[in-house]
Amino acid sequence: NAGVTQTPKFRVLKTGQSMTLLCAQDMNHEYMYWYRQDPGMGLRLIHYSVGEGTTAKGEVPDGYNVSRLKKQNFLLGLESAAPSQTSVYFCASTPGLAPEGEQYFGPGTRLTVT
Amino acid sequence: QQQVKQSPQSLIVQKGGISIINCAYENTAFDYFPWYQQFPGKGPALLIAIRPDVSEKKEGRFTISFNKSAKQFSLHIMDSQPGDSATYFCAAKFEAAGNKLTFGGGTRVLVKP
Repeated sequence: NAGVTQTPKFRVLKTGQSMTLLCAQDMNHEYMYWYRQDPGMGLRLIHYSVGEGTTAKGEVPDGYNVSRLKKQNFLLGLESAAPSQTSVYFCASTPGLAPEGEQYFGPGTRLTVT
Repeated sequence: QQQVKQSPQSLIVQKGGISIINCAYENTAFDYFPWYQQFPGKGPALLIAIRPDVSEKKEGRFTISFNKSAKQFSLHIMDSQPGDSATYFCAAKFEAAGNKLTFGGGTRVLVKP
């Protein structure tokens, strides 16, 4: 049981390049989330999904797109990377609607855009 | 606009001392208040959580105090240990909004031996 895994762990992009971050979970969780973490700002929600085939915008969605074609995977795409997207990205999942449902986080992807 | 404000940004405490982190929220629709602990290079992990109908919750050396009327809650780490050195995030969520978490800005805690 690997929990939540993220690929890749590190990446350096040039401005204007594109990339996709992959999140996978093996806990059969319904809900999945993408956050970015920046110093002093905590974690901010980018996009989330409440089930296979569904996605919704979070607090800071601009410049990102997501897809949830399979229940276990949640992809985050950057179509044209900008230096402002330099950050650490975390994926999380939770079983479902119950407020007590713990969000389980992956190890993060450190992205630098030059 | 930050809906959950956390202070201090950092604190240093001696081994055996008490660490106190404070959070304030604005949205009265929040119905669950977890604290997450994050070690360098790792993702956050749930430490302890409380519902707004409870004023205090204790798990081992960690205690949450909750003041609903003031819209404030705090984490107390008793008998702080060097292994507690980490970044702590308070958060809030409400069930009707996809169980989304709204995080505070984080507090970096350093426990000196």
